[in-house]
Amino acid sequence: EVQLVESGGGLVQPGGSLRLSCVGSEFTFSSYWMHWVRQAPGRGLVWVSGVNSDGTRTTYADSVKGRFTMSRDNAKNAVYLQMKSLRAEDTAVYYCARGVGFSERFLNWGQGALITVSS
Amino acid sequence: DIQMTQSPSSLSASVGGGVTITCRASQNINTYLNWYQQKPGRAPNLLIYAASTLQSGVPSRFSGSGSGTDFTLTISGLQPEDFASYFCQQSHSSPYTFGQGTKLEIK
Repeated sequence: EVQLVESGGGLVQPGGSLRLSCVGSEFTFSSYWMHWVRQAPGRGLVWVSGVNSDGTRTTYADSVKGRFTMSRDNAKNAVYLQMKSLRAEDTAVYYCARGVGFSERFLNWGQGALITVSS
Repeated sequence: DIQMTQSPSSLSASVGGGVTITCRASQNINTYLNWYQQKPGRAPNLLIYAASTLQSGVPSRFSGSGSGTDFTLTISGLQPEDFASYFCQQSHSSPYTFGQGTKLEIK
């Protein structure tokens, strides 16, 4: 069974930094785009960033561009989201997701990692 | 960026009934439209991709249609486990925007 497990969430002060990790298993990790999606408390889903299968291309939502950096290490079956200059509005559950097929549907999701930005 | 407008934001229905949720894209996305179900405290679950293809394991009471800019998700014969939130998402181009969501509640 495909699994995605996030880690690295927690409480951080405004202006601070944090790195999320997501490890995948039971699929050929290096063959797929991976994405981060976040959800603020009681709100909808917001796509944050994506990285292609070999890590040479990344894309970001405007709201995080210049502050967040997504990367991957296929040897470790892992993707990362380095977040800096965090703001209160970045408070959310962050999910990693595997993109599949020509339609780049998000077939598999992790359980989510909560990041709270507060002083 | 492509904007996704989903409606209604909430609706109530009875077990055994049916509902339709609509999603409109701000520009032509062909059939690059996916639907997800999310239950409280859980990650989203893919229901339909490419506008009308049912994801493996998803009950046939779920169906999707549309192309271009207008799409619908229809649930017929509602079951208790279907009362959840639903989101559309365009995967035509980055950023892969989601609709605002529809919360389906039991009447």
